[in-house]
Amino acid sequence: DAGVIQSPRHEVTEMGQEVTLRCKPISGHDYLFWYRQTMMRGLELLIYFNNNVPIDDSGMPEDRFSAKMPNASFSTLKIQPSEPRDSAVYFCASSTTGGRRQPQHFGDGTRLSIL
Amino acid sequence: DQQVKQNSPSLSVQEGRISILNCDYTNSMFDYFLWYKKYPAEGPTFLISISSIKDKNEDGRFTVFLNKSAKHLSLHIVPSQPGDSAVYFCAASVTGETSGSRLTFGEGTQLTVNP
Repeated sequence: DAGVIQSPRHEVTEMGQEVTLRCKPISGHDYLFWYRQTMMRGLELLIYFNNNVPIDDSGMPEDRFSAKMPNASFSTLKIQPSEPRDSAVYFCASSTTGGRRQPQHFGDGTRLSIL
Repeated sequence: DQQVKQNSPSLSVQEGRISILNCDYTNSMFDYFLWYKKYPAEGPTFLISISSIKDKNEDGRFTVFLNKSAKHLSLHIVPSQPGDSAVYFCAASVTGETSGSRLTFGEGTQLTVNP
């Protein structure tokens, strides 16, 4: 079974550029999560969606960050303009309700470096 | 305000011995706890979970213990194997939020199992 697929795996870009990270959740999963992992803050939740609707975006650091989920099989996290402090590994995860708590399944992440 | 803390950044054990990873939390509303394992360049993978109505959950070589009064949980791996070498994350969530949502992660503990 295909897991959560993220692209690109690595992104290196210059400060001020727009960055778009992509995620394809596991088919049938109705929850999608975006996380960021840094040395300073560990693994922190940025935003999550249920049935393509953003439920909680309180973790989004600032207006430069935006996330969309146009359909059940695709989501993007966009940073515009990017800054060096945005350098981190960004993970996407998905899960299903299934009537009881289900674990989140993570993609392998996008390592983002802003120069 | 780190609500989930893993105070040991690293742990080294001999193959065949027991590994004990610890996690403390401060939010008394947390009632569902999970452990994830993470290899380099991969996303975290779900290992085992426990609800607050239990004090122990076992799955093969992995057992999670929960002490609600102390707000403490631990993961025991017996016997430890070199393939268990990874970063282990403790995570917690609150009932009432939609299933599997808003996980709060600890900082992680690097486990090294020496042959």
